[in-house]
Amino acid sequence: GAVVSQHPSRVICKSGTSVKIECRSLDFQATTMFWYRQFPKQSLMLMATSNEGSKATYEQGVEKDKFLINHASLTLSTLTVTSAHPEDSSFYICSASSGQGAGNYGYTFGSGTRLTVV
Amino acid sequence: QKEVEQDPGPLSVPEGAIVSLNCTYSNSAFQYFMWYRQYSRKGPELLMYTYSSGNKEDGRFTAQVDKSSKYISLFIRDSQPSDSATYLCAMSKAAGNKLTFGGGTRVLVKP
Repeated sequence: GAVVSQHPSRVICKSGTSVKIECRSLDFQATTMFWYRQFPKQSLMLMATSNEGSKATYEQGVEKDKFLINHASLTLSTLTVTSAHPEDSSFYICSASSGQGAGNYGYTFGSGTRLTVV
Repeated sequence: QKEVEQDPGPLSVPEGAIVSLNCTYSNSAFQYFMWYRQYSRKGPELLMYTYSSGNKEDGRFTAQVDKSSKYISLFIRDSQPSDSATYLCAMSKAAGNKLTFGGGTRVLVKP
């Protein structure tokens, strides 16, 4: 089945530093990748949609200069949280889509990254 | 009003009971419907997907979609303590498009 690998699973960083999160589709080509943010006991909030080779499309209210998304290949997308602050602490999850329907290869999620900014 | 509404629960059932979950939505453009299970601090895991209206069964899981009522359901038969998790419904307008999630229902299956 489709596998999406997300790293790191957990990261603690100091306020003001930048953190990069990687999302890789291991056995399929991800034409589209989605980045979500999830607060405790809440649902997933879509932050941005990225298509390989194109600029990401950010949801309303998401600062594109703060959350940099790169989707340089069909198997890798990265989210960089720049100048992180404690309010950026959250659970970040990526999802990859092959664009070929809602089956196993339709939407596959990574295991998430818990970011804590101290 | 949210596009997708889902009762947050928690829903507590005894082991072996049927778990019944549902979502309502307002946008008739949604065509693909999914149910995900999420354990604490993990990424969502796809359980079921359905295209347009109809029923689908996979093992202990049955998904139903009624587009005329804008209502989807997930039933879990013979529930186990390992089914204790948060269940999220999600839907999209086209293949590969962004998903719109419900708020999730927390389920607790007691031994």
